[in-house]
Amino acid sequence: DAGITQSPRYKITETGRQVTLMCHQTWSHSYMFWYRQDLGHGLRLIYYSAAADITDKGEVPDGYVVSRSKTENFPLTLESATRSQTSVYFCASSLDGSIAKNIQYFGAGTRLSVL
Amino acid sequence: AQKITQTQPGMFVQEKEAVTLDCTYDTSDPSYGLFWYKQPSSGEMIFLIYQGSYDQQNATEGRYSLNFQKARKSANLVISASQLGDSAMYFCAMRERAGNNRKLIWGLGTSLAVNP
Repeated sequence: DAGITQSPRYKITETGRQVTLMCHQTWSHSYMFWYRQDLGHGLRLIYYSAAADITDKGEVPDGYVVSRSKTENFPLTLESATRSQTSVYFCASSLDGSIAKNIQYFGAGTRLSVL
Repeated sequence: AQKITQTQPGMFVQEKEAVTLDCTYDTSDPSYGLFWYKQPSSGEMIFLIYQGSYDQQNATEGRYSLNFQKARKSANLVISASQLGDSAMYFCAMRERAGNNRKLIWGLGTSLAVNP
């Protein structure tokens, strides 16, 4: 059971470069999420997706682009990386449900450094 | 205003003792869910336990239990018989029924250190 995998685990890039972080889940979960984790801010939602071809902004979407052409994949692209995007990025997925219980399962994270 | 508050930035506990990590929340939605996650030094986020607002009993999962006091809007995590492997950051989160985005609202976490 592979679960949810993120790649790469570590990435160093330069300001202005485009970077894509990959997320793949094998559970056929409807919902997928991208978070960033920074000291003093906790986890902040960047984008989420309710299903293939349905995406929406979270709290901090500026500078990021997402797509979801297939249910299992949810890549996050930094179109022109900035130093402020240095962070740990987490992908998560959850099985859709109409009640509050909707556990999100997380990938191992990608540590991104923008120099 | 903070919707999830974890007032203890850091906690210490002796191995084999119980520890309570505090979480208070703020919502006007009658239907909501509360979650606790663990983040060890390796970095992954691990789901621990869930409590629904309409659940009559406090949730338990092995050594983890949730002390849910609805009137006080608190959902404290209790870890019994602490182990060295429990040393980690612990995050409380809430999901409200309102809205369709299944978004979790997160606290800033509590760092727990278990001493041998």
